[in-house]
Amino acid sequence: GESVGLHLPTLSVQEGDNSIINCAYSNSASDYFIWYKQESGKGPQFIIDIRSNMDKRQGQRVTVLLNKTVKHLSLQIAATQPGDSAVYFCAENSGYSTLTFGKGTMLLVSP
Amino acid sequence: NAGVTQTPKFRVLKTGQSMTLLCAQDMNHEYMYWYRQDPGMGLRLIHYSVGEGTTAKGEVPDGYNVSRLKKQNFLLGLESAAPSQTSVYFCASSYDGLAKNIQYFGAGTRLSVL
Repeated sequence: GESVGLHLPTLSVQEGDNSIINCAYSNSASDYFIWYKQESGKGPQFIIDIRSNMDKRQGQRVTVLLNKTVKHLSLQIAATQPGDSAVYFCAENSGYSTLTFGKGTMLLVSP
Repeated sequence: NAGVTQTPKFRVLKTGQSMTLLCAQDMNHEYMYWYRQDPGMGLRLIHYSVGEGTTAKGEVPDGYNVSRLKKQNFLLGLESAAPSQTSVYFCASSYDGLAKNIQYFGAGTRLSVL
């Protein structure tokens, strides 16, 4: 499939470790944020979202943290598995019914 | 349960040729989007639609046209393809484009322009 990972920041972890993927967003007025996962050759897949009136939200094995003071978003994946290997994108609600996506981080999980 | 379906999956064009990419969604979503994805560039919005019969420009609209004649379909046209349009194209749809804009994506169309 197509390589979307060229020149992307890469995080390499061992299976079973916890992973933390970071994202800096640009618009202090953004009120909604999403994390997507994209496996090789596939379209992005929704993981978890968070509104700006929250600073933490948990899903199954994933947690998103939002720090509005420094405009920073992070995705924590617990007990990372080889199937978690993918490119992860954060996106912010940029108004006018659109999202602005970050450039992505590649997560590589070795057994 | 198909979700968002894109056709074709692959295409090779010669410079100057035209083509139309089709996106169909069966989720009754109002909002639909076309993106292009280039290595290391993330997703860039080409055009989008907030409902049947509407279209709007995104970040990189030049060289593309779109139409939303039916709520479930969103077409992306290239009138005269250029090598710079070699990319992977993704369509997405969303139920609520305002407060909670979770976009659901198709599998992509891989286009090469020679």
